[in-house]
Amino acid sequence: KQEVTQIPAALSVPEGENLVLNCSFTDSAIYNLQWFRQDPGKGLTSLLLIQSSQREQTSGRLNASLDKSSGRSTLYIAASQPGDSATYLCAVLDNYGQNFVFGPGTRLSVLP
Amino acid sequence: GAGVSQTPSNKVTEKGKYVELRCDPISGHTALYWYRQSLGQGPEFLIYFQGTGAADDSGLPNDRFFAVRPEGSVSTLKIQRTERGDSAVYLCASSLEGTFRTEAFFGQGTRLTVV
Repeated sequence: KQEVTQIPAALSVPEGENLVLNCSFTDSAIYNLQWFRQDPGKGLTSLLLIQSSQREQTSGRLNASLDKSSGRSTLYIAASQPGDSATYLCAVLDNYGQNFVFGPGTRLSVLP
Repeated sequence: GAGVSQTPSNKVTEKGKYVELRCDPISGHTALYWYRQSLGQGPEFLIYFQGTGAADDSGLPNDRFFAVRPEGSVSTLKIQRTERGDSAVYLCASSLEGTFRTEAFFGQGTRLTVV
């Protein structure tokens, strides 16, 4: 059974810092991996989708990498802003299932 | 509509009552998913529809939970004899193709509180 973990559980940084969020999964046979953002009391917003054949995806200040063989993905946020404060979730779609398995999330606070 | 819409946004019900939660997916999306999210945790899969049929309902916790999608668009999640442990945010998502092989779009969720 696929299990997804995220480290750290919570992170607080001053504005302007670059930061890295980590996601690990136990079964490397994945089809894709997606990073989401969730604001308090809100749904999920898709940030980046990485197919299993890809190594990374970039969108603005966000860069996500995927190392399928080691079961890891990282989300890099450059020049963090207070508006980046939210919970960041990673989710993997394995080759056998038809749904995403989510990690517990990393709660990020960017202090002005 | 422009995104996935869920109604109501909040629902408070008494233990033992029946509730229905509605999801309007993005127009043209054939795949629809229901997830449940408890406080401080990631979403947990409940059920996946491809068109009108439930392709995978392995995440439904017990037979009090049931979902339908009769015309392949709007879906309703139904919970009978609600229990306090059912309190959570229920999220709906849709994607263009079957499974999440294309980008997934989530609704804002319905916060269910059973008192």
